[in-house]
Amino acid sequence: GAGVSQSPSNKVTEKGKDVELRCDPISGHTALYWYRQSLGQGLEFLIYFQGNSAPDKSGLPSDRFSAERTGGSVSTLTIQRTQQEDSAVYLCASSLSPGDGNTIYFGEGSWLTVV
Amino acid sequence: QKEVEQNSGPLSVPEGAIASLNCTYSDRVSQSFFWYRQYSGKSPELIMSIYSNGDKEDGRFTAQLNKASQYVSLLIRDSQPSDSATYLCAVRNAGNMLTFGGGTRLMVKP
Repeated sequence: GAGVSQSPSNKVTEKGKDVELRCDPISGHTALYWYRQSLGQGLEFLIYFQGNSAPDKSGLPSDRFSAERTGGSVSTLTIQRTQQEDSAVYLCASSLSPGDGNTIYFGEGSWLTVV
Repeated sequence: QKEVEQNSGPLSVPEGAIASLNCTYSDRVSQSFFWYRQYSGKSPELIMSIYSNGDKEDGRFTAQLNKASQYVSLLIRDSQPSDSATYLCAVRNAGNMLTFGGGTRLMVKP
């Protein structure tokens, strides 16, 4: 596709359930980022994938969060045993090369509500 | 100390005035700096990038960089109500990763 695609766009889940959020980056973009944004807050870095290098997981808030990127393309962010504080917009972004802010594009986000 | 810091605001300016948005960063070796605009409920979009000390102008926007002071700013001249949004500063660190500030909410009042 022409842009970064995320699914689902909206997800309401019960506390304690697991959720999977998907990101399909722009074709050819080697870097992929996951951020979290709570209502009215800034972007909170979660995880960063760059090519075949080991991902930078330093932003994951707890071991309930994990992410993988298959074949250097599609990425899945998994949240296990969801809590109400996990409610936020989860934004995926990709860039042509590492840290290239000129070519970074964001998806529309996955709005997660934990009830 | 956060790597990239911004005043959360809101910064309120009257229409036609100059809006000044500021950002400080902690990694001295950072070389690339970016400003993004995020409308409510939307994703961030790039406004400007700056790499060298001094000013860079693009239309009504001017980015200013002072590496010695670890400070980057964005000036918006002739502010319009349509400029009302959250402005995010981002810095490319030594690990080639973009780190975002918390954003400053700008309100331009007619």
